[in-house]
Amino acid sequence: AQKVTQAQTEISVVEKEDVTLDCVYETRDTTYYLFWYKQPPSGELVFLIRRNSFDEQNEISGRYSWNFQKSTSSFNFTITASQVVDSAVYFCALGRRALTFGSGTRLQVQP
Amino acid sequence: DAGVIQSPRHEVTEMGQEVTLRCKPISGHDYLFWYRQTMMRGLELLIYFNNNVPIDDSGMPEDRFSAKMPNASFSTLKIQPSEPRDSAVYFCASSLSGVSYEQYFGPGTRLTVT
Repeated sequence: AQKVTQAQTEISVVEKEDVTLDCVYETRDTTYYLFWYKQPPSGELVFLIRRNSFDEQNEISGRYSWNFQKSTSSFNFTITASQVVDSAVYFCALGRRALTFGSGTRLQVQP
Repeated sequence: DAGVIQSPRHEVTEMGQEVTLRCKPISGHDYLFWYRQTMMRGLELLIYFNNNVPIDDSGMPEDRFSAKMPNASFSTLKIQPSEPRDSAVYFCASSLSGVSYEQYFGPGTRLTVT
């Protein structure tokens, strides 16, 4: 069975602060994929990033960065210099076709 | 390019009625997924198809739920009879076979059963 844990239910920061969203996963598969999705207040789910289990290189995309560590089964997401538009629920997910989602972290960025 | 299209966006129905949710995947995508999102259970996969064939329906809650994919551009999720506990947001997603495993989600259908 696969499991994704996002222990942080809600985080509140002030604009321009850096914030890290944690994701810890469990799987017995040797090949797997990890994902982050964003769900803004409008409700749609927006794909942010995919990482496969063989690629532990960290990735940066603008203000977003991801830290994948197989040794600790973690795939954390950092937003640098947060903005109000980053306010959303962020989901970490695990799988290949059938995805298992974490419970999500609600990020509120105050102006 | 059009994304995943779902209809209706909102549905309010009375307990016992039949409800049909519709989904059009991204053109060319050969995987289609149905998810349900509730406060209590979060996002959970109900069923997914590959090339119009159901691959895994282990997430379908009970026999009242059924899903079909008659062709590559259309899928339905039917609930008959509906119950108040079926109230949720139902998402459809699609993806492409190969190495791109990311799924692209539709806007969701918010179902309220009274």
